[in-house]
Amino acid sequence: NAGVTQTPKFQVLKTGQSMTLQCAQDMNHEYMSWYRQDPGMGLRLIHYSVGAGITDQGEVPNGYNVSRSTTEDFPLRLLSAAPSQTSVYFCASSTTEASYEQYFGPGTRLTVT
Amino acid sequence: AQRVTQPEKLLSVFKGAPVELKCNYSYSGSPELFWYVQYSRQRLQLLLRHISRESIKGFTADLNKGETSFHLKKPFAQEEDSAMYYCAPLYNQGGKLIFGQGTELSVKP
Repeated sequence: NAGVTQTPKFQVLKTGQSMTLQCAQDMNHEYMSWYRQDPGMGLRLIHYSVGAGITDQGEVPNGYNVSRSTTEDFPLRLLSAAPSQTSVYFCASSTTEASYEQYFGPGTRLTVT
Repeated sequence: AQRVTQPEKLLSVFKGAPVELKCNYSYSGSPELFWYVQYSRQRLQLLLRHISRESIKGFTADLNKGETSFHLKKPFAQEEDSAMYYCAPLYNQGGKLIFGQGTELSVKP
């Protein structure tokens, strides 16, 4: 049972490039979410999903796209990276009944130059 | 708008001293509140929830609806308590979990 996995661990992008951050969980959790962590800003919710085929915006969705085609996977897409998207990105999952107890991945550190 | 505020970015105490990490929330309903912790090189994890009213690793947190606060307390801090702590209210069961700005606790020997 791997829990929540994220790839890559580190990534450097140039402004304007696109990429996808991968997130997968093997706990059959319905609820999945993406956060970004910035110094002094804490964790901010980007997008979340309550099940396959259902996604919704969080606090800071601009510049990011998500989709949920399977229960296990919840990729985060940056279509045109900007320096303001330099951050550490965390994926998390939980059951819907206990969405307060989220299991976090190890994070992806992204730098946009 | 729902808001959660952790006024201290950094809290530094000596081992054995009491510690209180502050959290204030702004809500129209009756949220559930939680504290999460991130130790160095570890994943963010749930520390405790107000409904359970339990003590975890010596930490307790009381929900004060009148002051809309949910401060985290420990009477005698230990070096291993050094970590980043986040207060997190839950909109509604099955809904979004929103995190505060975080407080870094540093416990010095």
